[in-house]
Amino acid sequence: QKEVEQDPGPLSVPEGAIVSLNCTYSNSAFQYFMWYRQYSRKGPELLMYTYSSGNKEDGRFTAQVDKSSKYISLFIRDSQPSDSATYLCAMSGDYGQNFVFGPGTRLSVLP
Amino acid sequence: GAVVSQHPSRVICKSGTSVKIECRSLDFQATTMFWYRQFPKQSLMLMATSNEGSKATYEQGVEKDKFLINHASLTLSTLTVTSAHPEDSSFYICSALPGLAGSYNEQFFGPGTRLTVL
Repeated sequence: QKEVEQDPGPLSVPEGAIVSLNCTYSNSAFQYFMWYRQYSRKGPELLMYTYSSGNKEDGRFTAQVDKSSKYISLFIRDSQPSDSATYLCAMSGDYGQNFVFGPGTRLSVLP
Repeated sequence: GAVVSQHPSRVICKSGTSVKIECRSLDFQATTMFWYRQFPKQSLMLMATSNEGSKATYEQGVEKDKFLINHASLTLSTLTVTSAHPEDSSFYICSALPGLAGSYNEQFFGPGTRLTVL
């Protein structure tokens, strides 16, 4: 079993749709959970950063962490074509150790 | 703030040659930088951790004699792919941690370098 699993997609949605992206993980020591967005042929950029369980909202983006289920989600409301990218989840332990990326989900938002 | 640059952005070379990739933190000092490799449609895989003034720490399975890392200053780390072969063709991305001691969670990524070995 891989340490972090993520549906690779591609996921295609119409403009304005709500997008749900998810990751599951196996290491119960993970405490920090991050979502990165990576445009084609570019480095990843940090979108959201959550510690332990709970929800965090930033504009159109909402991150959820359910540590009991070892499941994290990123929701994008009112999706735009500019949101088309690969979304990578990442996670690490209390002091940033064992930092690992998920494989990424390719998202296409169609105008 | 927190901008990381890489040079070159793209390089094509012949098999057997060596290629150097630079990673610079433009507006902050970085004691620690990381080097990742990303194959098409796959996630980033950590290759090594580079600490200023000391030897790099390589992940299991990464050949340290093939991927030479030098972190000579607080703003520059270099990755040299020696005697490159077609299987080394990949997207190489660096990241940097601001400050003297930072969490892996705070790393900022460069734009990446696409290496193609013919």
